Amino acid sequence: GEDVEQSLFLSVREGDSSVINCTYTDSSSTYLYWYKQEPGAGLQLLTYIFSNMDMKQDQRLTVLLNKKDKHLSLRIADTQTGDSAIYFCAESDYKLSFGAGTTVTVRA
Amino acid sequence: ETGVTQTPRHLVMGMTNKKSLKCEQHLGHNAMYWYKQSAKKPLELMFVYSLEERVENNSVPSRFSPECPNSSHLFLHLHTLQPEDSALYLCASSQGQGSGAFFGQGTRLTVV
Repeated sequence: GEDVEQSLFLSVREGDSSVINCTYTDSSSTYLYWYKQEPGAGLQLLTYIFSNMDMKQDQRLTVLLNKKDKHLSLRIADTQTGDSAIYFCAESDYKLSFGAGTTVTVRA
Repeated sequence: ETGVTQTPRHLVMGMTNKKSLKCEQHLGHNAMYWYKQSAKKPLELMFVYSLEERVENNSVPSRFSPECPNSSHLFLHLHTLQPEDSALYLCASSQGQGSGAFFGQGTRLTVV
């Protein structure tokens, strides 16, 4: 967890965009990942970005990577109540290193 | 359904019991992992197996003993646990170490 840092909480209104930020330390990471964990469930791989890319879009999800600053973000457009969950950023070198997770609460 | 199945989903055990957690993956992956998720703590990597060989052991107490009999199965044998070992134990698999891992639903363990 100490190699990957995330803010712990985010509250967003339904229909707005959510932006979850993450910073990491290992510049040799080949891939960076976003996982989603709903209550009582395991982690679900949401999306990933290759380290030589700076943006990846997948439907409502947009991943931005600033490799110089080692900053990764996940934007969720038109946030829905079903998006309420904990979101984990992870980087990989030899093994996956996870952040502590950002709890996203969507309010009506 | 992620292709990674963990059993049981819930387990309550006494401190003197011996139990095992089971993980099975149907994805043809060659690396498997055990993670521990405690309340208000980051996800902790416990063990990594690559090609059935243990390649990582993150200072986990010996009361946790992993076993990987083949590339599809991973066990975590538990004995004389402590109440602070109560947590969600997650199994994951990936094709190659460090690549995107797929997780099971986890076993919610309570030690009483």
